[in-house]
Amino acid sequence: QVQLVQSGTEVRKPGSSVKVSCLASGGALSEYSFSWVRQAPGRGLEWMGRVYPDLGIASYAPDFRGRVTITADKSTNMAYMELTTLTIEDTAIYFCAADRRFDSTSGGFFVDKWGRGTSVTVS
Amino acid sequence: IEVTQEPSMSVSPGGTVTLTCALGSGPIASNHRTSWYQQIPGQAPRTLIYNTDTRASGVPDRFSGSIAAGKAALTIAGAQADDESDYHCIIYVGGGYWVFGGGTRLTV
Repeated sequence: QVQLVQSGTEVRKPGSSVKVSCLASGGALSEYSFSWVRQAPGRGLEWMGRVYPDLGIASYAPDFRGRVTITADKSTNMAYMELTTLTIEDTAIYFCAADRRFDSTSGGFFVDKWGRGTSVTVS
Repeated sequence: IEVTQEPSMSVSPGGTVTLTCALGSGPIASNHRTSWYQQIPGQAPRTLIYNTDTRASGVPDRFSGSIAAGKAALTIAGAQADDESDYHCIIYVGGGYWVFGGGTRLTV
């Protein structure tokens, strides 16, 4: 089964950017896409977007369009989430997730494995 | 797009509880591909259910997913102490876009 290792804690100032990485290993990585989900302190989960490495495209939640870029590098089995123009409201744990398909429709994905999360503090 | 869950629920040990997930704009259907996740505070989520009613690998059959009265539902039967967690639903709303509910804190 795929394992995910995320990069370490980040501290940023308002107005700056952050790029979080996620290394995937094990399993048939060509079968996976990668989502990013965040959780602000004491809050619920928030879906940010997904990258489809085989297609080279990503989809994003409307609240993040224009500020987030999610990419994947098949040669290094890495997925990345970059968030720009940070505010204190972006302080959160950012989770990487490896998604697998259960059917061929656009909604036919499920999370097979979660990363442990990366803490990003904007202050 | 608003997805609503009960903020908190409680169940007695050994009892059965049903958590729900509602879409503000209308009924939830199978094409919303609802997933359910369990999360112990401070830890990463764990996938319980996907595609409305399919249990993820290793999930006991005490956990079941369904749609009832226009809402997605997660039923936990024979509740155990370690079921005390936060439970999150997520639905597919089209265009490659998914939305989480606010989460339910379950007390056993």
